[in-house]
Amino acid sequence: QKEVEQDPGPLSVPEGAIVSLNCTYSNSAFQYFMWYRQYSRKGPELLMYTYSSGNKEDGRFTAQVDKSSKYISLFIRDSQPSDSATYLCAMIRNAGNMLTFGGGTRLMVKP
Amino acid sequence: EAGVTQSPTHLIKTRGQQATLRCSPISGHTSVYWYQQALGLGLQFLLWYDEGEERNRGNFPPRFSGRQFPNYSSELNVNALELEDSALYLCASSLRGFLNEKLFFGSGTQLSVL
Repeated sequence: QKEVEQDPGPLSVPEGAIVSLNCTYSNSAFQYFMWYRQYSRKGPELLMYTYSSGNKEDGRFTAQVDKSSKYISLFIRDSQPSDSATYLCAMIRNAGNMLTFGGGTRLMVKP
Repeated sequence: EAGVTQSPTHLIKTRGQQATLRCSPISGHTSVYWYQQALGLGLQFLLWYDEGEERNRGNFPPRFSGRQFPNYSSELNVNALELEDSALYLCASSLRGFLNEKLFFGSGTQLSVL
């Protein structure tokens, strides 16, 4: 079993929809949680970063962490075709320094 | 400000050959990380260099190696290439002294082993 699980998709939604992307993890030692966005033939870019449980909002994006359930989410409001990309969750242990990624979810937002 | 740059963009090799991939971090960043992104496998951690030293390596065989130069650029070497080494190799950098949560990635080198 992988440490971080993510539905690969693809997830297809119409423009303007609310998108929910999720990851589950097995190691309770993870303390920092991130979401990266990766466009085709590009490297991932950091979208959101949260520490421990709770919510964080940045524009149309909201990251949510539920450590008790070992579950993190990224919500995208008013989705745009430019949001079409692969979204990778990532997390890091408190004491270590290695970032562990989920496999990524491919999102397609149709005009 | 220039981001993380990687070269070459594409690399085609045959089985058994050696491949050398290069990475220049963002100015001021001293930590460099290498990840392998193979189809269907997500990003797998390969190596972490900081201040010229290897700090950690992932679960890859010894034929994957690298180094970091005094200017903090880095090189990844893959010896005795195998078909399953075909993947996108991503380099990332971060500021030293921080938890490496804020990694900045390059666009990668697409390695194809024939």
